[in-house]
Amino acid sequence: DIQLTQSPSFLSASVGDRVTITCRASQGISIYLAWYQQKPGKAPKLLIYAASTLQSGIPSRFSGSGSGTEFTLTISSLQSEDFATYYCQQLNFYPLTFGGGTKVEI
Amino acid sequence: EVQLVESGGGLVQPGRSLRLSCTASGFTFGDYTMSWFRQAPGKGLEWVGLIRSKTYGGKIEYAASVKGRFTISRDDSNSIAHLQMNSLRDEDTAVYYCTREGGGLDYWGQGTLVTVSS
Repeated sequence: DIQLTQSPSFLSASVGDRVTITCRASQGISIYLAWYQQKPGKAPKLLIYAASTLQSGIPSRFSGSGSGTEFTLTISSLQSEDFATYYCQQLNFYPLTFGGGTKVEI
Repeated sequence: EVQLVESGGGLVQPGRSLRLSCTASGFTFGDYTMSWFRQAPGKGLEWVGLIRSKTYGGKIEYAASVKGRFTISRDDSNSIAHLQMNSLRDEDTAVYYCTREGGGLDYWGQGTLVTVSS
């Protein structure tokens, strides 16, 4: 199985900060990586797919980059509504797997 | 508007069965791969399995943890996906989500809670 390692697991930040989350895959997955945001009690929301393509309706302060085994999610200027848990997911190999999550809090 | 609505969750004893349904609207259901995921209380996300569209042969894949116990099916005429769960275990307790695959998993249902306990 492909292991996805997210770092950091927790991130303390302030409104306006630039935030970067890293996701490392245990083997190459090309660009078949997506990022999701999840708030408590809610379903995950797709932010980025194909490593760097912004999902429709998602603010442009979110961006993704990377290929192969190393990927990043960047929030250019953190807003209050961005405090949540973020997950990466690989879609290149079965079983589909997720990173352990990064909780972004104040 | 795309909507996915899960139903069928509840409290069930270990070893028993439960069938979840995912009713879709707002898109051509038969054109899309549908997946099931779950999230145990306070834990991360786990893929359960998927069923491809008939265009892609309707292929079904399962996670190792549920293979042989869970069955995914689809009814394209009624825009419903099903997750039949047999021989349930305590560790199957989770919120179960159905999702549509469009690039990434672009639409998710609200989830339905399955609690396996005696």
